[in-house]
Amino acid sequence: DTGVSQDPRHKITKRGQNVTFRCDPISEHNRLYWYRQTLGQGPEFLTYFQNEAQLEKSRLLSDRFSAERPKGSFSTLEIQRTEQGDSAMYLCASSQRTSGASYEQYFGPGTRLTVT
Amino acid sequence: AQKVTQAQTEISVVEKEDVTLDCVYETRDTTYYLFWYKQPPSGELVFLIRRNSFDEQNEISGRYSWNFQKSTSSFNFTITASQVVDSAVYFCALTNTGGFKTIFGAGTRLFVKA
Repeated sequence: DTGVSQDPRHKITKRGQNVTFRCDPISEHNRLYWYRQTLGQGPEFLTYFQNEAQLEKSRLLSDRFSAERPKGSFSTLEIQRTEQGDSAMYLCASSQRTSGASYEQYFGPGTRLTVT
Repeated sequence: AQKVTQAQTEISVVEKEDVTLDCVYETRDTTYYLFWYKQPPSGELVFLIRRNSFDEQNEISGRYSWNFQKSTSSFNFTITASQVVDSAVYFCALTNTGGFKTIFGAGTRLFVKA
């Protein structure tokens, strides 16, 4: 399977705990995105990487959120001191960039976070 | 600011009916891309189509067709002869060239009944 993979698929945590999610993009894709999706809504952009550089970050991403993409391969999204409002599906997507064009994104299955 | 509006929250049709999903967008950019994605009950978003702002040709792919009209800032999606497997949430999305932030609409949930 050469699609985008995410781990874990489900995470239940208690308020105040830290959690970390992993995303493995399609191997030849140099762009990687994180989104958050809540019930009945479309995905909300969180952050974007081109190779290992984090080039854009949404204002939705508070100081408790941090993302990395070491060596431009897999990425991790960490949430510190989780709050109940962080409960959502966290989606990762990747795409290929060519000469400034904006290509379609391929999404992973998501990590569903429940904060109790 | 960019915005995507999908005014139809839910649509219910009977199999074999045609159905159109509406998408209206706002952007100040002259160059941008529009997308449609499908999110079936399994949850994983699937890319359907990309259209850039310079290409207003309508596109047909099997039972799917898309109507892009810059004059009305709309990018509507029609499914002809709908099938039960078309039941899903459909999202319209917008991004500008060079910008990496994609804005999604709230989605339209389509129910196709047998």
